[in-house]
Amino acid sequence: AQRVTQPEKLLSVFKGAPVELKCNYSYSGSPELFWYVQYSRQRLQLLLRHISRESIKGFTADLNKGETSFHLKKPFAQEEDSAMYYCALRGSSNTGKLIFGQGTTLQVKP
Amino acid sequence: DTGVSQNPRHKITKRGQNVTFRCDPISEHNRLYWYRQTLGQGPEFLTYFQNEAQLEKSRLLSDRFSAERPKGSFSTLEIQRTEQGDSAMYLCASSPPTGTGNTIYFGEGSWLTVV
Repeated sequence: AQRVTQPEKLLSVFKGAPVELKCNYSYSGSPELFWYVQYSRQRLQLLLRHISRESIKGFTADLNKGETSFHLKKPFAQEEDSAMYYCALRGSSNTGKLIFGQGTTLQVKP
Repeated sequence: DTGVSQNPRHKITKRGQNVTFRCDPISEHNRLYWYRQTLGQGPEFLTYFQNEAQLEKSRLLSDRFSAERPKGSFSTLEIQRTEQGDSAMYLCASSPPTGTGNTIYFGEGSWLTVV
């Protein structure tokens, strides 16, 4: 079965602190992994994808196939990073559909 | 705004009534998805269209739910005989044809409250 698990519902850090949002997945093949973000009163939008191996807004995420993880990291959190973050998996379906985790709320305090 | 457009944005209905949501995908996106999201949960896949063909339906999509995409453009999601458990955010998303970049873009969603 394809499943994405985000163990933390809420992560609260102070501005300037490092951030790590955890994501674990269950999938037998080679998945594509994504992080989507939803800022207050905005639509869900793509933050980054593992195949791009890029840093967006200071965030990075590395796919660890051994640990089946795709944790999202940022060395120094900013207040504007406060949002809901969803990890998502695209498996082998021809539809290209995404399977989402439950989401983690990141709260960056001043 | 040329993003995915959904309406109505909010709908309050009495139990047992029918509701219909509309989604206008990004122009030239042939792939269209419907998701459902309840409080505290991530989006859950409901159904997928490639052009006008509905190619996959989740088991979450009961017989009371029907989705269409006539002419492969906009899509509608109808819920018949609504139940309180149908209260959720219904998200529409679209993506371009395979091979041209397959990022999935989401609409702002349609909130349904069944009273």
